[in-house]
Amino acid sequence: SQKIEQNSEALNIQEGKTATLTCNYTNYSPAYLQWYRQDPGRGPVFLLLIRENEKEKRKERLKVTFDTTLKQSLFHITASQPADSATYLCALDHNNAGNMLTFGGGTRLMVKP
Amino acid sequence: EAQVTQNPRYLITVTGKKLTVTCSQNMNHEYMSWYRQDPGLGLRQIYYSMNVEATDKGDVPEGYKVSRKEKRNFPLILESPSPNQTSLYFCATFYLGTKSKSGYTFGSGTRLTVV
Repeated sequence: SQKIEQNSEALNIQEGKTATLTCNYTNYSPAYLQWYRQDPGRGPVFLLLIRENEKEKRKERLKVTFDTTLKQSLFHITASQPADSATYLCALDHNNAGNMLTFGGGTRLMVKP
Repeated sequence: EAQVTQNPRYLITVTGKKLTVTCSQNMNHEYMSWYRQDPGLGLRQIYYSMNVEATDKGDVPEGYKVSRKEKRNFPLILESPSPNQTSLYFCATFYLGTKSKSGYTFGSGTRLTVV
C-alpha cells in the first residue's frame, strides 16, 4: 500500500542551526511533492513545490530536495529561528496533476533560543 | 487578499442534527477540496471538486455531502452527524502555476464537536 513517512518525534534544535526534516514514501510515483507548515489549530500553509524532474528547490532560508530513486525528500531550514517552530507536512500527489494530495503525518520542529 | 473563508470556526452540535459548513474562495480557482484532520491520522481528503457541478469522493467520504453550484462556494454537508465526525475540518483550493504561487490554500479550519 502507499505510505508516506515523516518522523513523528519532535525535532529540537538550537536557534541558528540548520533543521533537516525527512519525508520518505513507498509505492508512489509522484509528479509533485509539496511541503506545508502548520501551526496549532490553523490551516496548513503552502511553502514549496518540487517537481519530479527537479533535484532541488530553494526559497529564502528553505531548501527542498527530491530524490525519486531513494523515494525521499529532505526539507532544510537554514539559520533557524524560534518563529520557525511549527509542524511541517510533506504531501505527494497521486494523479500527476498536483492537486490530489496525500499528506504525511508531519514532524514538529522546536527551535530553542 | 487571496483567501479561503470557512464558517463557522467552532461548532458544537448533537447527533443527527443536520449541519452545513460553508467555504468560499476569492481566487477564482477551479479545484476545491475538503479535508479532516485527526490526531494520529493526519489530513484526510473527504471530497473534492474539479469545477462547477463536478465533485468526487476522496478517501473518507462516508457521512458527508458536498455541492458546487458556483465556482467560489463549496459547502460541506453533514446530513446526520455522529460523534466519529468530531474533527478539525479544512476547506482548500488548489492552483498549479509555473511561478511560486502554487499549491493548496487552506481555510482557517472548523472545529466540529458532535455530542
